[in-house]
Amino acid sequence: RKEVEQDPGPFNVPEGATVAFNCTYSNSASQSFFWYRQDCRKEPKLLMSVYSSGNEDGRFTAQLNRASQYISLLIRDSKLSDSATYLCVVTADSNYQLIWGAGTKLIIKP
Amino acid sequence: ETGVTQTPRHLVMGMTNKKSLKCEQHLGHNAMYWYKQSAKKPLELMFVYSLEERVENNSVPSRFSPECPNSSHLFLHLHTLQPEDSALYLCASSQDSGFAEQYFGPGTRLTVT
Repeated sequence: RKEVEQDPGPFNVPEGATVAFNCTYSNSASQSFFWYRQDCRKEPKLLMSVYSSGNEDGRFTAQLNRASQYISLLIRDSKLSDSATYLCVVTADSNYQLIWGAGTKLIIKP
Repeated sequence: ETGVTQTPRHLVMGMTNKKSLKCEQHLGHNAMYWYKQSAKKPLELMFVYSLEERVENNSVPSRFSPECPNSSHLFLHLHTLQPEDSALYLCASSQDSGFAEQYFGPGTRLTVT
């Protein structure tokens, strides 16, 4: 089983729609969770941290479900500029090691 | 944005060549990282440096040799690579090695022929 699993997609979504995708992780001891965004042929950039109580940043909402060991990302009112690959990241037992998912590709269509 | 820079951006090398990748961060961070990103695969952590000391080496073949002369610069020396080493090599930095918010450079696209 992969340590961090994501549906690779692509998710093809019309502009303005709401889209959500999940990421599952295998290490129940993981403490910190993040979503990074990577545009085509660019480097990853931190999108948001995922807190136990869930958190919202504008159109983006992140949730953590420890019991089922997954995190989710919801994007409301999607924009063309949201097209990117979204990478789920989880910390391993040692704080500095990030375990990366392979990413979910999102394509927003006009 | 020029927080983390990498050179060269593209590199084609033969299996017998020796080359080096350079990374520089202008953020005053204490930790720097080398990652390998292959198509449709997760980022693979290769090396971690904290305050110029290597703190992690994830079973990387010896044909990859890192060097961290100071907290702002990181090198990856390459020699006798294999075609399967072709990938995007990303450098990142963070405030400290315990910080998960990492800032990435644009990467070096490496092709081994």
